[in-house]
Amino acid sequence: DGGITQSPKYLFRKEGQNVTLSCEQNLNHDAMYWYRQDPGQGLRLIYYSQIVNDFQKGDIAEGYSVSREKKESFPLTVTSAQKNPTAFYLCASRGLAEKNIQYFGAGTRLSVL
Amino acid sequence: AQSVTQPDIHITVSEGASLELRCNYSYGATPYLFWYVQSPGQGLQLLLKYFSGDTLVQGIKGFEAEFKRSQSSFNLRKPSVHWSDAAEYFCAVGALTGGGNKLTFGTGTQLKVEL
Repeated sequence: DGGITQSPKYLFRKEGQNVTLSCEQNLNHDAMYWYRQDPGQGLRLIYYSQIVNDFQKGDIAEGYSVSREKKESFPLTVTSAQKNPTAFYLCASRGLAEKNIQYFGAGTRLSVL
Repeated sequence: AQSVTQPDIHITVSEGASLELRCNYSYGATPYLFWYVQSPGQGLQLLLKYFSGDTLVQGIKGFEAEFKRSQSSFNLRKPSVHWSDAAEYFCAVGALTGGGNKLTFGTGTQLKVEL
């Protein structure tokens, strides 16, 4: 089954800790995206990557980092610099020929202990 | 910069009634427009999209949307709502070129269906 897999589904972060959210896709898509979702605020773009070994900051990149070493994988690290990390995180991907159509994973809910 | 406004935060309709969710966008050129649906604790599923051509587009689950350039609107409609349609709906606008083909999302409309 082709799709986007996000793990874990739930994640808890302690004070001062970095945590990494996984996003893997087997759709052979070139572009991948990370969004943060807070109630009443819609989706806000954190980082995106159009090709391997390249990525750009989105609208709310502070306190986050990413890597894109493989086409299939785009992990997001929530660093200790992100003071309000509690949110629902969504990963998406897009094929180059797909004209902005993004496909989403099921999300990871991050909470602070 | 592009933007999307969904003026209704919550909407409640009775099962079997018609539905219209409003979406207004701001974009300098012809936009790509999308409606996505999200069930609680889940990712987003694409309902329908508009790129060009016929301004009335059909999507999955019996939804349709109409692009009105003069009103900068892309409202979502369904003639008869089912209880399983209760979810959150997001309108999004995409840039035609460059900028990483990013999408800008509205803040969402929460739909409640009364039985």
